[in-house]
Amino acid sequence: DSGVTQTPKHLITATGQRVTLRCSPRSGDLSVYWYQQSLDQGLQFLIQYYNGEERAKGNILERFSAQQFPDLHSELNLSSLELGDSALYFCASSVGAGVKETQYFGPGTRLLVL
Amino acid sequence: ELKVEQNPLFLSMQEGKNYTIYCNYSTTSDRLYWYRQDPGKSLESLFVLLSNGAVKQEGRLMASLDTKARLSTLHITAAVHDLSATYFCAVDFNIHSNYQLIWGAGTKLIIKP
Repeated sequence: DSGVTQTPKHLITATGQRVTLRCSPRSGDLSVYWYQQSLDQGLQFLIQYYNGEERAKGNILERFSAQQFPDLHSELNLSSLELGDSALYFCASSVGAGVKETQYFGPGTRLLVL
Repeated sequence: ELKVEQNPLFLSMQEGKNYTIYCNYSTTSDRLYWYRQDPGKSLESLFVLLSNGAVKQEGRLMASLDTKARLSTLHITAAVHDLSATYFCAVDFNIHSNYQLIWGAGTKLIIKP
C-alpha cells in the first residue's frame, strides 16, 4: 500500500458525460500527478500539481482538467467523454516538486465509457 | 522527439535463468526510474538511478544507468515465478523548464516454473 488513495475504483459511464476522479496523496507529499494508462497509448503523463499550483502539463486533452485543493487532494475532471477515454487513470504523489524523487502510485480508477 | 524505448516488450523465460531488459532514451538525462506493475494493479517503484554509472540491487534484480549511452539495464538473476510482472522504465526530461517523466512501453515478463 503506497499511501495514495483514489476513488472511485471503477466507473462506468456513457459517451458525452462528465466524471470526476479523486486522489489523496501520501501524508506530507506536496505533488500530485495524473496519468492515463491504456492498451494502445501506454502510460501517459497528464498533469502535475505542486502545493496547489499547476507545475507541469503533459498530454492532457482540453476536455480534461484538474485541480489541487488546499488540503492537497486533487481531482481530475473528464468531460464530453468519448469511447477512447476508457482507460486506467492513476494518481501519484511525491514529497517535493518531483525532481529526483520517487513517485508513489495509487491503486487507479478504471473508467469505462460506453 | 523525447522517446523512451524498452526491449524486449515481451519476455517468457524459465525459472533459474538470467536475462536483461534494456531501456534506451533519446535525449540527455541523468534520472531514470524502474517500476513494476502486476496485472490489474498499480505501479511500484523498484529503483531510482540518479547519476552516470549508478547501480542498484534488490534481491534478484539489478539496475544500472549509462548516461553517455543513454541506456539503462534491468538484470534478472536466477529468475523466480514471483518476478512475473510488467516492468517499466521512465526517464525524467526537462520540458519547458519543468521536469516530467516519459515512460517506456513496458516489458511483460513471464517466468515459467
